[in-house]
Amino acid sequence: RKEVEQDPGPFNVPEGATVAFNCTYSNSASQSFFWYRQDCRKEPKLLMSVYSSGNEDGRFTAQLNRASQYISLLIRDSKLSDSATYLCVGRGAGTASKLTFGTGTRLQVTL
Amino acid sequence: DGGITQSPKYLFRKEGQNVTLSCEQNLNHDAMYWYRQDPGQGLRLIYYSQIVNDFQKGDIAEGYSVSREKKESFPLTVTSAQKNPTAFYLCASSIGPSGMSTYNEQFFGPGTRLTVL
Repeated sequence: RKEVEQDPGPFNVPEGATVAFNCTYSNSASQSFFWYRQDCRKEPKLLMSVYSSGNEDGRFTAQLNRASQYISLLIRDSKLSDSATYLCVGRGAGTASKLTFGTGTRLQVTL
Repeated sequence: DGGITQSPKYLFRKEGQNVTLSCEQNLNHDAMYWYRQDPGQGLRLIYYSQIVNDFQKGDIAEGYSVSREKKESFPLTVTSAQKNPTAFYLCASSIGPSGMSTYNEQFFGPGTRLTVL
């Protein structure tokens, strides 16, 4: 089983739609989580850190459910510019711990 | 402008050749990392360094080598021992254990696409 698993998609949604991605992790010792966005043939860019209480940044909301070991990302009012691959990332305990990347979920927003 | 730079953007190598990929950061980050990304796969860690003159193997270090002589630089050498080197190589940095960030987010350079001919 992969340490961080995501549905690869693609998710095809119309502009203005709300879309949610889930990600599950197997290492219960994972301490912090992130969502990164990666455009085609570009580097990943940090979208949000995921806080235990959940957090919101504009149209984006991230939540963490430690009991069920999953992380979610909700995008409201989708824009064409949201089309990208979204990477779920976990980090183990301790500041020196490595990141583990999911394979990503591809989102395509259409007119 | 603060950031991470990688060069070259595209690199072509003949089989049997060693090549070195450059990574420089001016973010004053202690920690630096090298990943490779293959189609349909998540990023995989090759090597990482938490501090100058120290580095550790990641999950797929075989066929690669690194050095960390300066805080701002972390070059990666892809040796001829790496059997399948064609990939997208990404360098990243983070504040590191000496920093105050609990989350210790990593920030990526633009990447180098290596193709073996």
